[in-house]
Amino acid sequence: EAGVAQSPRYKIIEKRQSVAFWCNPISGHATLYWYQQILGQGPKLLIQFQNNGVVDDSQLPKDRFSAERLKGVDSTLKIQPAKLEDSAVYLCASSLGPGNEQFFGPGTRLTVL
Amino acid sequence: GENVEQHPSTLSVQEGDSAVIKCTYSDSASNYFPWYKQELGKRPQLIIDIRSNVGEKKDQRIAVTLNKTAKHFSLHITETQPEDSAVYFCAAVNDYKLSFGAGTTVTVRA
Repeated sequence: EAGVAQSPRYKIIEKRQSVAFWCNPISGHATLYWYQQILGQGPKLLIQFQNNGVVDDSQLPKDRFSAERLKGVDSTLKIQPAKLEDSAVYLCASSLGPGNEQFFGPGTRLTVL
Repeated sequence: GENVEQHPSTLSVQEGDSAVIKCTYSDSASNYFPWYKQELGKRPQLIIDIRSNVGEKKDQRIAVTLNKTAKHFSLHITETQPEDSAVYFCAAVNDYKLSFGAGTTVTVRA
């Protein structure tokens, strides 16, 4: 079974630039999550989708972050404009449903200079 | 929202000894408690989990205990090996939202 795919794996940008991350969940997984993991901390949930609807985006900085999952499969997370404090690893995860085991992708390491 | 606290933040053990990591949670409605292991530069991977209707669960050298009354749960690793060195995260799930602890860096000394 293929795992969660993410791209790019690494990205370096300057502050105020824009960046987008892509995630392809495990086939059949209805729930998709985006996490931000700052070095030395646990992952923090940014947004959770159930199919193509948003379940929770309470910790998403909506003035600069946006995410979509238009067809209920792939998802993109965008940051516009980026700030220095956005430097982190962005993890995508998926599960069969809410409360089921989450499978994580390899993450995208973002460095904002 | 849920607040998960994890202790200690770092743990160094001699190979063959046991390691214990403790977590507390704030929301009594949380009903699922997974533990993730994250090796350096890699993704978190589930190693064991426990649901609120169970007090203890064991899988080979790893065990987890849950005390719902006190709202705390613990991870126990016995006969530690060098490959157990990693960051371990506890988490609590309330309905659908998973909240992670800050992590424990475990180092197993040969």
